[in-house]
Amino acid sequence: DGGITQSPKYLFRKEGQNVTLSCEQNLNHDAMYWYRQDPGQGLRLIYYSQIVNDFQKGDIAEGYSVSREKKESFPLTVTSAQKNPTAFYLCASSIVGRGKEQQFFGPGTRLTVL
Amino acid sequence: KNQVEQSPQSLIILEGKNCTLQCNYTVSPFSNLRWYKQDTGRGPVSLTIMTFSENTKSNGRYTATLDADTKQSSLHITASQLSDSASYICVVSEWNGGSQGNLIFGKGTKLSVKP
Repeated sequence: DGGITQSPKYLFRKEGQNVTLSCEQNLNHDAMYWYRQDPGQGLRLIYYSQIVNDFQKGDIAEGYSVSREKKESFPLTVTSAQKNPTAFYLCASSIVGRGKEQQFFGPGTRLTVL
Repeated sequence: KNQVEQSPQSLIILEGKNCTLQCNYTVSPFSNLRWYKQDTGRGPVSLTIMTFSENTKSNGRYTATLDADTKQSSLHITASQLSDSASYICVVSEWNGGSQGNLIFGKGTKLSVKP
């Protein structure tokens, strides 16, 4: 079954804790992305990576960290420095091309800070 | 400032009826415009992608139009079904010299189809 998976679907965190969200794809895509979605707002880019061992900050990278050790995996860590982490997190992947590439999204992880 | 504005914010229609969702943008330079469908609690799924030279594209009962001169796009849904209930997101990509540019996401239109 080809696609992009995220786990867990729901995640609860106490204030002050770091948590890591998983994103895996078997589409052989070079590019992977993390977005945050809040109610009534458009998706906002946190981090993206176009090649293994390299990644770039998006619009709202503060309080987040990523790694890209394997082509298939792009985990996101929400650190205690992120002041308002409760949100729906979406991972996406695409080929790297000339700008018209479709992004395929995972099912999302809903993070709630207690 | 690059922006994507969608209207209406929400819409309720009866099953079987048609509807049209609007998207206005100020993104420049422009590369392409995408429409996504997002079911509640799920990831977005691509419906259409249009470049500057394409003014209409269909995907089943979904038809997107693009007027690059007025910077407007619409998504028309024909003979709506209950499964069309979702948020529809308009996304505009900046031109970046032939490689992937920034994607600017609209806030979405929430469509509810009632029996």
